[in-house]
Amino acid sequence: QKEVEQNSGPLSVPEGAIASLNCTYSDRGSQSFFWYRQYSGKSPELIMFIYSNGDKEDGRFTAQLNKASQYVSLLIRDSQPSDSATYLCALLRGGGATNKLIFGTGTLLAVQP
Amino acid sequence: DAMVIQNPRYQVTQFGKPVTLSCSQTLNHNVMYWYQQKSSQAPKLLFHYYDKDFNNEADTPDNFQSRRPNTSFCFLDIRSPGLGDAAMYLCATSRRGQGNEKLFFGSGTQLSVL
Repeated sequence: QKEVEQNSGPLSVPEGAIASLNCTYSDRGSQSFFWYRQYSGKSPELIMFIYSNGDKEDGRFTAQLNKASQYVSLLIRDSQPSDSATYLCALLRGGGATNKLIFGTGTLLAVQP
Repeated sequence: DAMVIQNPRYQVTQFGKPVTLSCSQTLNHNVMYWYQQKSSQAPKLLFHYYDKDFNNEADTPDNFQSRRPNTSFCFLDIRSPGLGDAAMYLCATSRRGQGNEKLFFGSGTQLSVL
């Protein structure tokens, strides 16, 4: 079982719709979770992080964390064509000197004008 | 603006010819990471420095080495590049020890091996 699992997509949504991206993880002890956006040929860009159960909102983005179900999601409201990218889910594993960011393979989002 | 800078943006090397990729940061972060990302794959951690302490991943080939001469700079050396080493190499930095850690990436170096 992969440590971080995502559906590779593509997830296609019309402009203005809500895009829902999902991620599951295997290590129940994981505490910190991140969503990165990566445009083709570019480096990952941090867009959201979440550490506590529940929802965290930032503009059009909402991250949701359910530690009991080992599930993290990202909602993008009013999706725009410029949101079309690969969204990488990641968790911080380890502690102290050995922290490592472990990524899923990403979900490709395509927002149709 | 404080940032993570990688040079060069594109690097072409020949099979077996040593190559060095560089990363610098103005964030004064104490951790610097090197990731390898191949097409349609997740970024894969190669190693990282926490201050001067080097932490190698168990599955990182010996062909890959790293140097961190000071806080601001970190280098990735590939001693004898093979065709399978063609990838995007990502440098990231973070501040560890002051609460929840977040990684910030440079723009990456796309390495081609001929």
